[in-house]
Amino acid sequence: DADVTQTPRNRITKTGKRIMLECSQTKGHDRMYWYRQDPGLGLRLIYYSFDVKDINKGEISDGYSVSRQAQAKFSLSLESAIPNQTALYFCATSDLDDEQFFGPGTRLTVL
Amino acid sequence: AQSVTQPDIHITVSEGASLELRCNYSYGATPYLFWYVQSPGQGLQLLLKYFSGDTLVQGIKGFEAEFKRSQSSFNLRKPSVHWSDAAEYFCAVGAWAGNNRKLIWGLGTSLAVNP
Repeated sequence: DADVTQTPRNRITKTGKRIMLECSQTKGHDRMYWYRQDPGLGLRLIYYSFDVKDINKGEISDGYSVSRQAQAKFSLSLESAIPNQTALYFCATSDLDDEQFFGPGTRLTVL
Repeated sequence: AQSVTQPDIHITVSEGASLELRCNYSYGATPYLFWYVQSPGQGLQLLLKYFSGDTLVQGIKGFEAEFKRSQSSFNLRKPSVHWSDAAEYFCAVGAWAGNNRKLIWGLGTSLAVNP
C-alpha cells in the first residue's frame, strides 16, 4: 500500500463550489504539506503543518484552508472554487530531515 | 533571499548520451540538498539527497550529484540516459524560513530523450 494517499485523484467542479481534497499517510511523520503545481511554475507551497496543533500558511494560501484532523490526515479545502485554482495538487510528508514523501496528486479542474 | 535556480527549462538528449542537469542555490548556511523526479502523471520521487560528508552522492536509477560549495551548485548527472528517464526533474534546498525549516524548490527541468 502507498505511504501517502490522496483522494480524489481527479475532480471536476464548478466555480463557487466548495471542495475538499484529502491526504492520509502511514509513514508516521509529524510534518505534512500541501502544494499546487502549475506548468512552468514548479511546486508552490499552500499550507504546512509540523504537528496536529501547528498550521502554517505557505506562499499561496489565499482561497484555501486546511484541517489537520490527526497525525495521519491533512485536508485541503477550497471554500469557493475559481477557475485559476485549476491545477495539480500534491500532499507530502516529512520527518525532521526535510526529505519529503509525496502522494500521487489530485488533478482539479474548476469550470 | 533563499532561492534555487535550475537554469535549463527543457533539455533534449539522445538515448545513451550523458546528462547533466544544473542546480544553483542561494542560502547562507550549509544546506540540505535534494533532487526529485516526476514521471508523467506521477508524483515526485526522491532521486538522491545530500546532508553532509562526501560531496559526491549516489542515488537511484544510476544518478549521481555533486555538491560544490564554492559554486553553490548541486548538479545531477547520469553517464548514459535511458528512454525511461524522460521526466521532470526538481532540485530543492532544505532551509530555515523564519522559525521553520522547509524546502525551497527550483522550477524544474523537463528532460526529453530521443531514441
